[in-house]
Amino acid sequence: DTGVTQSPTHLIKTRGQQVTLRCSPISGHKSVSWYQQVLGQGPQFIFQYYEKEERGRGNFPDRFSARQFPNYSSELNVNALLLGDSALYLCASSFAGLAGTETQYFGPGTRLLVL
Amino acid sequence: AQSVTQLDSHVSVSEGTPVLLRCNYSSSYSPSLFWYVQHPNKGLQLLLKYTSAATLVKGINGFEAEFKKSETSFHLTKPSAHMSDAAEYFCVLNTNAGKSTFGDGTTLTVKP
Repeated sequence: DTGVTQSPTHLIKTRGQQVTLRCSPISGHKSVSWYQQVLGQGPQFIFQYYEKEERGRGNFPDRFSARQFPNYSSELNVNALLLGDSALYLCASSFAGLAGTETQYFGPGTRLLVL
Repeated sequence: AQSVTQLDSHVSVSEGTPVLLRCNYSSSYSPSLFWYVQHPNKGLQLLLKYTSAATLVKGINGFEAEFKKSETSFHLTKPSAHMSDAAEYFCVLNTNAGKSTFGDGTTLTVKP
């Protein structure tokens, strides 16, 4: 089985630009969550989507947005990039969302560098 | 509000000696707790999870964790460290509110 896939693997942008990151969940999984991992810190929760609806949101500004498509893949968009947005962006999929004991399966991440 | 505190940012052990990585949590809801491992340049891998069926949870690669509600703790242990255990370990708390909270991580170093 194919695991969670993310694209691109690496990305370099300049301040003020916009970026779109993509994630394909494990086949059969209906939930996708996004995380930001700054160097030396644990992943910070950004969004959870289940069945194309937002189910949870972390403490991130409105510059961050996401959506989930009918095939359950997802995009994370970040507008007006700041230097502090440089991080590893992780996508995780699960069958039924983050409720209870649902296990998340993580992709390899997209490393974003903002110059 | 929910939070996770990993009490040690770095732990260093000798190969063959026990490992203890400490995690405390705070949650207004019934918690679901997980331990993940992250090797350099690799994705996060699930070690084990607490499902409320048993307070002592066994995971992969000889790791286990004990859920103690009275102490709000979920410490990760392994009887004998192996060189391949050197990695970053994260304690994670999920609630039914649709959010997931990671601790800041513990870097485990294993000396030969």
